[in-house]
Amino acid sequence: KQEVTQIPAALSVPEGENLVLNCSFTDSAIYNLQWFRQDPGKGLTSLLLIQSSQREQTSGRLNASLDKSSGRSTLYIAASQPGDSATYLCAQGGGSNYKLTFGKGTLLTVNP
Amino acid sequence: DTGVSQDPRHKITKRGQNVTFRCDPISEHNRLYWYRQTLGQGPEFLTYFQNEAQLEKSRLLSDRFSAERPKGSFSTLEIQRTEQGDSAMYLCASRLAGGPYNEQFFGPGTRLTVL
Repeated sequence: KQEVTQIPAALSVPEGENLVLNCSFTDSAIYNLQWFRQDPGKGLTSLLLIQSSQREQTSGRLNASLDKSSGRSTLYIAASQPGDSATYLCAQGGGSNYKLTFGKGTLLTVNP
Repeated sequence: DTGVSQDPRHKITKRGQNVTFRCDPISEHNRLYWYRQTLGQGPEFLTYFQNEAQLEKSRLLSDRFSAERPKGSFSTLEIQRTEQGDSAMYLCASRLAGGPYNEQFFGPGTRLTVL
């Protein structure tokens, strides 16, 4: 059974800090890994997608890495801002239908 | 707006009633997924459509749940005889088969509250 674990469950940082969110997965047959942002009561916004053949992806202040051998992905957020406060979810895509298996998320609070 | 849309955004119903949700995927996307998210959890896969064919169903999808995608475009998810445990956010996602990344794009979700 595919399992995705996210650590920490919650994180509170002062504005301007760089931070790292962690995601681990058990299925080595991963096809891709997506990072999402979810605001309270809202749907999912895709942040970054890393193919299994890639090591990292970057978008603005965000950088996501993927290490298949260790079953880990990290999301690095540079110079955090209060507007970054949200829940961040990672999801492993795999299987014949590329369905996503999600972690429980990390609740990030960036304090002004 | 060319994103995934879902209707309604919120639904409050009494236990035992039937409810139906609609998802309109991105127009050229022929793959469609339904997920369910309960409070404090990540979304869990429910079912998958390739065009109009329902190719995979999770064990989470009890007999009270049925999903359709009659013309390979929009999809509906119906829950019969709702129970309080059905209260959750129901999310729809779509993707383009054969696209460069097989990325899934999510709609805003339908929040169901069963009283």
